[in-house]
Amino acid sequence: NAGVTQTPKFQVLKTGQSMTLQCAQDMNHNSMYWYRQDPGMGLRLIYYSASEGTTDKGEVPNGYNVSRLNKREFSLRLESAAPSQTSVYFCASSEALAGSYNEQFFGPGTRLTVL
Amino acid sequence: QKEVEQNSGPLSVPEGAIASLNCTYSDRGSQSFFWYRQYSGKSPELIMFIYSNGDKEDGRFTAQLNKASQYVSLLIRDSQPSDSATYLCAVVLNNAGNMLTFGGGTRLMVKP
Repeated sequence: NAGVTQTPKFQVLKTGQSMTLQCAQDMNHNSMYWYRQDPGMGLRLIYYSASEGTTDKGEVPNGYNVSRLNKREFSLRLESAAPSQTSVYFCASSEALAGSYNEQFFGPGTRLTVL
Repeated sequence: QKEVEQNSGPLSVPEGAIASLNCTYSDRGSQSFFWYRQYSGKSPELIMFIYSNGDKEDGRFTAQLNKASQYVSLLIRDSQPSDSATYLCAVVLNNAGNMLTFGGGTRLMVKP
């Protein structure tokens, strides 16, 4: 099993360009998440999808959109990139069953630089 | 005030010592608490979780939870250089469903 995979690993954009970060999991998990990590700020939730067909905003959703394409895939789109979106982006997934602990499994991350 | 707070460090301990990492949270109704380890340039990985007041031990790691004082800590006994990493505290805040709120992380350095 590959777990959680993310593409691309690295990306450099110019201000105003758009791009989509891809995430897929092969653990049959219901919930998927997108985080960004900036130095000293831990991980901040951008968007999440509690189950296939649903998406909700997290702490820092402005400038981003998401699509839960199917149970396996959850993509993050930057429509018009800004330098403030320079960050490391992590996708995660979890079973999220009621009554079970919420271990989230993380992908390897995408390092995005916006010039 | 941040919802989950950690001292950013670095916390430096000699090899073989006990490393003590602390985390405080603001939401008194929080129920679930997690410690993730993140090596430089890598993704976070879960090392401990705790739900009830008291201590929970797993090998060299002990998580301690005090809900009355709203803090959770992680003790690492017999610290090894391979324990050098950033440790992230994560909390499921009250009524937050399955969402985790992370602290900023504490960088631990274990010196040989």
